[in-house]
Amino acid sequence: AQSVTQPDIHITVSEGASLELRCNYSYGATPYLFWYVQSPGQGLQLLLKYFSGDTLVQGIKGFEAEFKRSQSSFNLRKPSVHWSDAAEYFCAVGAANSGNTPLVFGKGTRLSVIA
Amino acid sequence: DVKVTQSSRYLVKRTGEKVFLECVQDMDHENMFWYRQDPGLGLRLIYFSYDVKMKEKGDIPEGYSVSREKKERFSLILESASTNQTSMYLCASSLIRTGTYEQYFGPGTRLTVT
Repeated sequence: AQSVTQPDIHITVSEGASLELRCNYSYGATPYLFWYVQSPGQGLQLLLKYFSGDTLVQGIKGFEAEFKRSQSSFNLRKPSVHWSDAAEYFCAVGAANSGNTPLVFGKGTRLSVIA
Repeated sequence: DVKVTQSSRYLVKRTGEKVFLECVQDMDHENMFWYRQDPGLGLRLIYFSYDVKMKEKGDIPEGYSVSREKKERFSLILESASTNQTSMYLCASSLIRTGTYEQYFGPGTRLTVT
């Protein structure tokens, strides 16, 4: 069975600083990997996804993530954080070729941005 | 754009009431899901459905039931609401046949049971 660990419950960064949110997954075969963002009181919005190919994927709002199979990681990065990036971020893993299996989500990392 | 809508953003119910949460998606998705979200616990899957009239239990189905009579609509039912069901409820849907599987979420329903 798949599992996802987001080691950081809460991270605070200064506006303009770089950001890296960590995600480690456990899955025996080829994973499909996702990052979602949730603004306060809202549903989840897809930031980016990885299925195959280039291990560095670009997403919306200037985010990118790198898939490292050897480390079972899929960390999310942004070179310069804006105050509007304050939100909760969820990493998720899905099973390739198993379309009716739900994604497994991490517990989330809350990002605070200070001036 | 895919749209997933939920019938209420905020709901207040009394203990013992029967509660219906409705979710509708407009993109002909096969899969639909219900999650609850609580601080520190992330998203926990209650039930999902991969076809009309089909349902599968998730991680925390106790105290809940679901109904999917039409492909676009997935209802979550709290048979007898209790205070420990106070939570944010999120509905999602996904498409199988494109092979991409990303889930699209509704805005959520914040349910308070008093």
